[in-house]
Amino acid sequence: NAGVTQTPKFRILKIGQSMTLQCAQDMNHNYMYWYRQDPGMGLKLIYYSVGAGITDKGEVPNGYNVSRSTTEDFPLRLELAAPSQTSVYFCASSAESRNQPQHFGDGTRLSIL
Amino acid sequence: AQSVTQPDIHITVSEGASLELRCNYSYGATPYLFWYVQSPGQGLQLLLKYFSGDTLVQGIKGFEAEFKRSQSSFNLRKPSVHWSDAAEYFCAVEPEAAGNKLTFGGGTRVLVKP
Repeated sequence: NAGVTQTPKFRILKIGQSMTLQCAQDMNHNYMYWYRQDPGMGLKLIYYSVGAGITDKGEVPNGYNVSRSTTEDFPLRLELAAPSQTSVYFCASSAESRNQPQHFGDGTRLSIL
Repeated sequence: AQSVTQPDIHITVSEGASLELRCNYSYGATPYLFWYVQSPGQGLQLLLKYFSGDTLVQGIKGFEAEFKRSQSSFNLRKPSVHWSDAAEYFCAVEPEAAGNKLTFGGGTRVLVKP
């Protein structure tokens, strides 16, 4: 009963390094999302996907890229890490209908130094 | 501008006392409304949701929320708080044309005193 799995849980990067945050779901959900959570700011949508091969920008996409080659996986890539990208990142998935809630992973805490 | 506001950043409540968390939204039409809870180091868990119908909705862990269209509010309540309710609570809305995308409030952190 895994749900949404995110790896790694913690990571420290140096400025300018790149990395990929992994997200996988086993609920056969077509919709997947990436959020970042900054203190006191709630969650902001970075990118989302409505199915394999389809992605679109959310509210705060700058500095990030995504791909969706399979239904299960939705990785988030940081190409040139910047201190402003220090945050907690959450992946979520949902079924297609509007009345279906989003299911969240446990998050990745990322620090850029 | 469309927004979701949780006016209280922190709330401290004694164990056994009642709890009410406020949420106001500014959208033209009634959006879908959600409350999520986040325990330390965990992801968000859905407490309850409102789509239509009865304006008082029941959720998990003894929580309920009331939708008031005239006040654009969706406040969360619990009659008697347990120490395990200490967490951060997020109100979220899904506007009618948003296509499953949520907008979150800033969150309210609840501390429970013994």
